[in-house]
Amino acid sequence: SQTIHQWPATLVQPVGSPLSLECTVEGTSNPNLYWYRQAAGRGLQLLFYSVGIGQISSEVPQNLSASRPQDRQFILSSKKLLLSDSGFYLCAWRPPDRENTEAFFGQGTRLTVV
Amino acid sequence: GDSVTQMEGPVTLSEEAFLTINCTYTATGYPSLFWYVQYPGEGLQLLLKATKADDKGSNKGFEATYRKETTSFHLEKGSVQVSDSAVYFCALSPGAYSSASKIIFGSGTRLSIRP
Repeated sequence: SQTIHQWPATLVQPVGSPLSLECTVEGTSNPNLYWYRQAAGRGLQLLFYSVGIGQISSEVPQNLSASRPQDRQFILSSKKLLLSDSGFYLCAWRPPDRENTEAFFGQGTRLTVV
Repeated sequence: GDSVTQMEGPVTLSEEAFLTINCTYTATGYPSLFWYVQYPGEGLQLLLKATKADDKGSNKGFEATYRKETTSFHLEKGSVQVSDSAVYFCALSPGAYSSASKIIFGSGTRLSIRP
């Protein structure tokens, strides 16, 4: 069966520090991968999605970047965090070329920038 | 572009009350529609889905019908329980002929059930 792992679960970082959040999927090949952010009391904002290694689509220009160095690994990064980067970050995957299939989410990373 | 609009929360109900959470969408082509639920501190779980017009998705007593004529996918439950307290998200995936692979979410509706 397929599983998705996301870590860390909780992170407190000072303003101006770098960020690296990692997400890996097991049990499938060439998944579509997604990073979402949920700010406090707000909805889900799609940040990045990827349909293959090295293929990253950015939805919102901002202080973050994403990379997909391996087929089932998706990394969210920042060189210098801002206070506004605080939020709940969710990674998700979906089978390729299956637009009628749901996405499967990780447990999320709660990031607090102080 | 494609979008999802769902009713603002929070919604507070008494146990055993009837629940409706409205969701409407804008999309080209024939999207698939989803309802997800998020319990405190957790990721999202799929609650139900519908992939074509007039399909009814159902799970755990919740139902939603894909209405193409009104571009809606309202979530309903006949008798809510305290354990249903969570945030509910409506979402769409663009149709099979779209080049987009993303899933678009509504803003979420927080539901609180009083004992």
